[in-house]
Amino acid sequence: AQSVAQPEDQVNVAEGNPLTVKCTYSVSGNPYLFWYVQYPNRGLQFLLKYITGDNLVKGSYGFEAEFNKSQTSFHLKKPSALVSDSALYFCAVRDMDGGSYKLIFGSGTRLLVRP
Amino acid sequence: DSGVTQTPKHLITATGQRVTLRCSPRSGDLSVYWYQQSLDQGLQFLIQYYNGEERAKGNILERFSAQQFPDLHSELNLSSLELGDSALYFCASSVGGRNNEKLFFGSGTQLSVL
Repeated sequence: AQSVAQPEDQVNVAEGNPLTVKCTYSVSGNPYLFWYVQYPNRGLQFLLKYITGDNLVKGSYGFEAEFNKSQTSFHLKKPSALVSDSALYFCAVRDMDGGSYKLIFGSGTRLLVRP
Repeated sequence: DSGVTQTPKHLITATGQRVTLRCSPRSGDLSVYWYQQSLDQGLQFLIQYYNGEERAKGNILERFSAQQFPDLHSELNLSSLELGDSALYFCASSVGGRNNEKLFFGSGTQLSVL
């Protein structure tokens, strides 16, 4: 079965510093990977996805993610963190079931950006 | 605003009761997904419908059921409620089909079972 793991429950970073939120994956076949963000009292919002092609994927709000096949990782990054980036971040993998698909989410990582 | 509407936003009920959560997908989206988010289990996939038909099933209890109606809105029915069913229930929609995996999430229904 497809799965993703987020090893950190929380990441703390100072505003203006680079941030990394980690994700590793376990899949059979080619991975289809995603990052979503959840702000307080809101649903999840799509940030970016990797299907194929360039290992560096650019997404919304200045976020990017680096796909590394040898390390089976898909870490989320941002060069300069903002206080408003504080939220819950989920890594996800597509799981095909016959002709249909669903997303399997990791446990989530809370990002706290301090002023 | 994602375009996905969930009602009600909050629901407080007692053990043993039955509730219905409603979801209206984005205009044009044929696929509807239900997820449960709790502190101990994280975000768990429950069930998916595509154009009225059940397509995938996840960790959904037998006490729970769902359906998608001809107008594409969906309902999640939770019965014989237990304290452990307290969670945030999300509905998400997508266009459906291959390479259309981007899900749009509603704001969720917070269910509290007392």
